[in-house]
Amino acid sequence: DTGVSQDPRHKITKRGQNVTFRCDPISEHNRLYWYRQTLGQGPEFLTYFQNEAQLEKSRLLSDRFSAERPKGSFSTLEIQRTEQGDSAMYLCASSLVGDNYNEQFFGPGTRLTVL
Amino acid sequence: QQQVKQSPQSLIVQKGGISIINCAYENTAFDYFPWYQQFPGKGPALLIAIRPDVSEKKEGRFTISFNKSAKQFSLHIMDSQPGDSATYFCAASKVFGNEKLTFGTGTRLTIIP
Repeated sequence: DTGVSQDPRHKITKRGQNVTFRCDPISEHNRLYWYRQTLGQGPEFLTYFQNEAQLEKSRLLSDRFSAERPKGSFSTLEIQRTEQGDSAMYLCASSLVGDNYNEQFFGPGTRLTVL
Repeated sequence: QQQVKQSPQSLIVQKGGISIINCAYENTAFDYFPWYQQFPGKGPALLIAIRPDVSEKKEGRFTISFNKSAKQFSLHIMDSQPGDSATYFCAASKVFGNEKLTFGTGTRLTIIP
């Protein structure tokens, strides 16, 4: 399977715990995006990388959130001191700059439940 | 601030009918307008996309109509099938720079026999 993969698919945690999600983009893609989707809403942009550089962070991304893409390949999204409001689907997407007008391919998402 | 407004929130169409979903945007800097299809428990999948230099794009049973002056675009699904039952999201972005997608709130489409 050469699509975008995310791990884990589901995560249940208690309030105050830290969680980390991983995204593996399509191998030749140099752009990687993180979005958050809550029930009944469209995905909302969180942050994006071009290669290993994080170029923009949304105001939705509080200080408790951090994302990395250390070698320009896979990316991790960490949430520290989770809150119930962090419960959502976290989606990763990748694209190739200059190809097909930013056609973004999404992974299956990681569903986070904070108890 | 909701920059892309989508309607209706839900839609029920008979098999073989035409499903129509509408979106309107505010930011005139947007110049790329994709539609995504999402099934429960899955990530969004790109269905079809358009740029504002054309007013219509057709791929199989799916057509995007685009009205630049009104800042509106719509998805038409012809000969709707039960397998089309899903949530559809319109989105918009710039082509150059940070091409982050701004999504609408989604339309839950149900095709009944």
